[in-house]
Amino acid sequence: DIQMTQSPSSLSASVGDRVTITCRASQSISGYLHWYQQKPGTAPKLLIYAASSLETGVPSRFSGSGSGTDFTLTISSLQPEDFATYYCQQSSSYPQTFGQGTKVEIK
Amino acid sequence: QVQLQESGPGLVKPSGTLSLTCAVSGGSLSSNNWWSWVRQPPGKGLEWIGEVYRTESTNYNPSLKSRVTISIDKSKNQFSLTLNSVTAADTAVYYCARVGNRGSNDYWGQGALVTVSS
Repeated sequence: DIQMTQSPSSLSASVGDRVTITCRASQSISGYLHWYQQKPGTAPKLLIYAASSLETGVPSRFSGSGSGTDFTLTISSLQPEDFATYYCQQSSSYPQTFGQGTKVEIK
Repeated sequence: QVQLQESGPGLVKPSGTLSLTCAVSGGSLSSNNWWSWVRQPPGKGLEWIGEVYRTESTNYNPSLKSRVTISIDKSKNQFSLTLNSVTAADTAVYYCARVGNRGSNDYWGQGALVTVSS
């Protein structure tokens, strides 16, 4: 299985901060990397697919980059509604696997 | 707008069978999409279970493959998950989802909590 490792596991930030979350794959996954946001008690929401493509309706402050094994999710200016847990997922090979999550908390 | 809704028993006895159905509206299971199941134990991360296509082709997580079946009923526009020989470790919120671009899950159900307990 491809292991997906996110860092950090949690972070504290203030409204307006620039936030970066990284996801590293144990082997190359090309561009088959997706980012989700999950708030307590709700289903994950797709933010970014194929490493850098913004899902329809997602604010432009979210962006993704990377290829191969190293990927980044960036929130350019953190908003109150962005406090949540973020997961990366690879769909390059079976079984599809997720990172362990990064919890973004209010500073 | 595609909507998915999970349904099924919320409590299953150990060694029993977990069965969930995902009803799809606003989209067709005859479309060119795979349809997946993902689970999340309480307070933990996400685990991919498997997926099904309109042709009834399936892919499963090897960690569950001996116990899991995903099926599709295009006439009812729904697909189902069956997990046999459950233990407390199978207690989780189970989500159904549509597989979209490059294998991402673009539409999700609200999730169904299934507890394995006697």
